[in-house]
Amino acid sequence: QVQLVESGGGVVQPGGSLRLSCAASGFTFSSYGMHWVRQAPGKGLEWVAFIRYDGSNKYYADSVKGRFTISRDNSKNTLYLQMNSLRAEDTAVYYCAKDVAVAGPPYFDYWGQGTLVTVSS
Amino acid sequence: QSALTQPASVSGSPGQSITISCTGTSSDVGGYNYVSWYQQHPGKAPKLMIYEVSNRPSGVSNRFSGSKSGNTASLTISGLQAEDEADYYCSSYTSSSYVVFGGGTKLTVL
Repeated sequence: QVQLVESGGGVVQPGGSLRLSCAASGFTFSSYGMHWVRQAPGKGLEWVAFIRYDGSNKYYADSVKGRFTISRDNSKNTLYLQMNSLRAEDTAVYYCAKDVAVAGPPYFDYWGQGTLVTVSS
Repeated sequence: QSALTQPASVSGSPGQSITISCTGTSSDVGGYNYVSWYQQHPGKAPKLMIYEVSNRPSGVSNRFSGSKSGNTASLTISGLQAEDEADYYCSSYTSSSYVVFGGGTKLTVL
């Protein structure tokens, strides 16, 4: 069965950095685009970033562009999110999510359980 | 990119039908048939309920249906059940930043 397991969350000071990981299993990871989606406490979902199955294309929300970097290691079935210059408004549960189809429109059929990132001094 | 517009809350009694709207622009909802809907129970990860405007993934009840007219997409839940009480989010491909979500709608089953 498909499993996505995020890790790497924690408490970080404003201006600091953190790297999230998402370990994937149960499907051919190297064939699917992957996303990061976040949810601030008590708020709605916000799409953060996307990476194509082969890493050739990456897209970012304006709110994180220039500060966050999405990457993947298909040999390790792992997705990453490098977060730099963190701000209080980046505080959220971060989910990794899998695209429904190979090279298709952005629909997310599997989600991880989420990892909490708290930016606070 | 502004979030898609959804009502903050809707409610209905068991057995009734409700509809949640999701309004965007010609750059997202109106311009592409790439709208999806997600259900989220408290403390849980979202679940895909509808994709490509009106398609249901395997395992999703046929009480859930989707449609679109112009810049507005809609999710209809018929035969409301207590377990349907949750937050619902629409999402669309957008030409400006790839993906945009709606602000979310809290469904209360009375």
